[in-house]
Amino acid sequence: SQKIEQNSEALNIQEGKTATLTCNYTNYSPAYLQWYRQDPGRGPVFLLLIRENEKEKRKERLKVTFDTTLKQSLFHITASQPADSATYLCALDKGGSYIPTFGRGTSLIVHP
Amino acid sequence: NAGVTQTPKFQVLKTGQSMTLQCAQDMNHNSMYWYRQDPGMGLRLIYYSASEGTTDKGEVPNGYNVSRLNKREFSLRLESAAPSQTSVYFCASSEAAGAWTEAFFGQGTRLTVV
Repeated sequence: SQKIEQNSEALNIQEGKTATLTCNYTNYSPAYLQWYRQDPGRGPVFLLLIRENEKEKRKERLKVTFDTTLKQSLFHITASQPADSATYLCALDKGGSYIPTFGRGTSLIVHP
Repeated sequence: NAGVTQTPKFQVLKTGQSMTLQCAQDMNHNSMYWYRQDPGMGLRLIYYSASEGTTDKGEVPNGYNVSRLNKREFSLRLESAAPSQTSVYFCASSEAAGAWTEAFFGQGTRLTVV
């Protein structure tokens, strides 16, 4: 069956360190993968999109990698800040469909 | 621009009652979606509309109906609410199908069925 897996355990890191979140998928061949941020009581907010033919994408302190061989995307936040604390969701298409399917998200907690 | 607006923000229903969740977007997007989010389950697609006049079932459509009233509005109806439909509901929109870009989400509707 098709699965999108994100670590259900919260990631706790110290301010200033690099946070790395993982999104693994099985039995998908996505054309793209996206990362969203969700704060408590709010809807998800888009951060980055990476396509299957791209290895890496950057935006300010954010970096996303996409390894279609490993079926994995890594999401990095460099010089993390307490304001980065949130739940981060990955989403990908179901191969041939444009409909985004979401992982369950990983909570990031950045300690001052 | 307001983006995606959902109403109401909170609702409590008794089992068997019906209600309609409203969603409107002002970004001239073609595609709209309804998701539900439950603890430990993530976002699950209920229904979507690729374009005005079309709707399709998602992963968890049972117990729901939708209407794409026009390009701006996409409503979700619960005909006979059940406690299992207690959840947070999100509406989202995106540009034309086949050219995937980011999805914009509303602030959510927190529904409790007692």
